[in-house]
Amino acid sequence: SYELTQPPSVSVSPGQTASITCSGDKLGHKSTCWYQQKPGQSPVVVIFKDTKRPPGIPERFSGSNSGNTATLTISGTQSMDEADYYCQVWDSSIVLFGGGTKLTVL
Amino acid sequence: EVQLVDSGGGLVQPGGSLRLSCVASGFTFTTYWMTWVRQAPGKGLEWVANIKYDGSAKYYVDSVEGRFTISRDNARNSLFLQMNSLRAEDTSVYYCARLNTAYEGVDYWGQGTLVTVSS
Repeated sequence: SYELTQPPSVSVSPGQTASITCSGDKLGHKSTCWYQQKPGQSPVVVIFKDTKRPPGIPERFSGSNSGNTATLTISGTQSMDEADYYCQVWDSSIVLFGGGTKLTVL
Repeated sequence: EVQLVDSGGGLVQPGGSLRLSCVASGFTFTTYWMTWVRQAPGKGLEWVANIKYDGSAKYYVDSVEGRFTISRDNARNSLFLQMNSLRAEDTSVYYCARLNTAYEGVDYWGQGTLVTVSS
């Protein structure tokens, strides 16, 4: 079965760039979404269709997808960006999430 | 404003049943796929089931196939998840969510309802 693999944790200093990867076989041929989830809250979509930002999501969030890896990039990371991040694909009517990455801003 | 309000969670014994509900408002419910996603305590997101906008197609994760049934009542803007033969590993917060085909993902989530399976 298809799997999406994310690093369990990523650390970044405030103001620096954070990159969170999501790996899967030929993932670049699929469309990827990214979600941010803060403790005790429901997830929020921050990137859809690999690179697009929903209304209200800051420009510092961007995405890319090529080959076997999709990447969420947060430029000028702020303390409010500390959260869990999940990648997701909707393929053949089935939804699949990556295991999640805890982003620590320190 | 799009709103999804989940309800129906609670404490249930192993082998028991529970029915989750989700009432949608602020959008044309009949034109969207809907989904249930769950999250075990301290764990990641896990997709549970999808249902097409007209209810004509349903899909499930293998671990709940044959035990859970997703359904919808478009006249009442409502989504349901009937959960039977519950196991301890089904303990999770269950989120009702709207699938957006333009996003190829979820664009709105409910607040979640906690299901605890324990004796």
